[in-house]
Amino acid sequence: KAGVTQTPRYLIKTRGQQVTLSCSPISGHRSVSWYQQTPGQGLQFLFEYFSETQRNKGNFPGRFSGRQFSNSRSEMNVSTLELGDSALYLCASSEDREGDTQYFGPGTRLTVL
Amino acid sequence: AQSVAQPEDQVNVAEGNPLTVKCTYSVSGNPYLFWYVQYPNRGLQFLLKYITGDNLVKGSYGFEAEFNKSQTSFHLKKPSALVSDSALYFCAVRDVRAGGYNKLIFGAGTRLAVHP
Repeated sequence: KAGVTQTPRYLIKTRGQQVTLSCSPISGHRSVSWYQQTPGQGLQFLFEYFSETQRNKGNFPGRFSGRQFSNSRSEMNVSTLELGDSALYLCASSEDREGDTQYFGPGTRLTVL
Repeated sequence: AQSVAQPEDQVNVAEGNPLTVKCTYSVSGNPYLFWYVQYPNRGLQFLLKYITGDNLVKGSYGFEAEFNKSQTSFHLKKPSALVSDSALYFCAVRDVRAGGYNKLIFGAGTRLAVHP
C-alpha cells in the first residue's frame, strides 16, 4: 500500500496570509491526525478527524482548523499566519482499532516570513 | 497529568556497541506506548509499540523495548548500533482521556549519534 502523502512538501508564506495543507491517508484508514513540530515545543497534537468529524482537538487557537472528506483525505487550514506558525506539519493515519499504529507522512514544512 | 519524559537530549554510542534510549511515562490506566524515529527532513517512522502481553517488544531494524510497569519506563534498546541508526527518536503514549485511539503525547525526543 502507498504510504501517507502530504502536499505540498514546502511552503513559504508571509504574515497575515492563510494556508491550506493536504493529507491523503493510507488506503482503508479512516482516522487522520495532525501534529505540529517545532524546535521549541516539540511534537504537539493539533486535531484528529474520523468519518468526516473532528473527534479530538489539541490546545491551538481557532486560526487552526481542518476537515475530512468522504474519501478520508484531510486538509488543515491556518488563517492569519504568524511567525510562530513556522513548523513542520505532520499528518498521520490509522485504521482506528484499539492498539493500532499511526503512520506518518513526510510532513509539510511551512515557513512564515 | 499524562506525560512522557525522555531524560537525555542526546545519546552518543560507538558503532557495534549496545544502545539504550530512555523513556518514562505517566498515564492513568494501562498505557499504549510507541517509539518512532525521524531522519532529517522526513516524517516519523514507526519502530515498535507496547499494547499488552510480553514486556519485551521487538520492532523494526533490530530495535527492541522493554516495558517496566513498576518503573513506568519503556526504554528502547539495540544490541549493536549502526552509524545509520543516527537519528532523532521519539517515545509516545496514547492519551487515554481522548476519544478513539489516535491522540498521542510525545516526549521531547532524543538525538542518537553513533560514531564509527
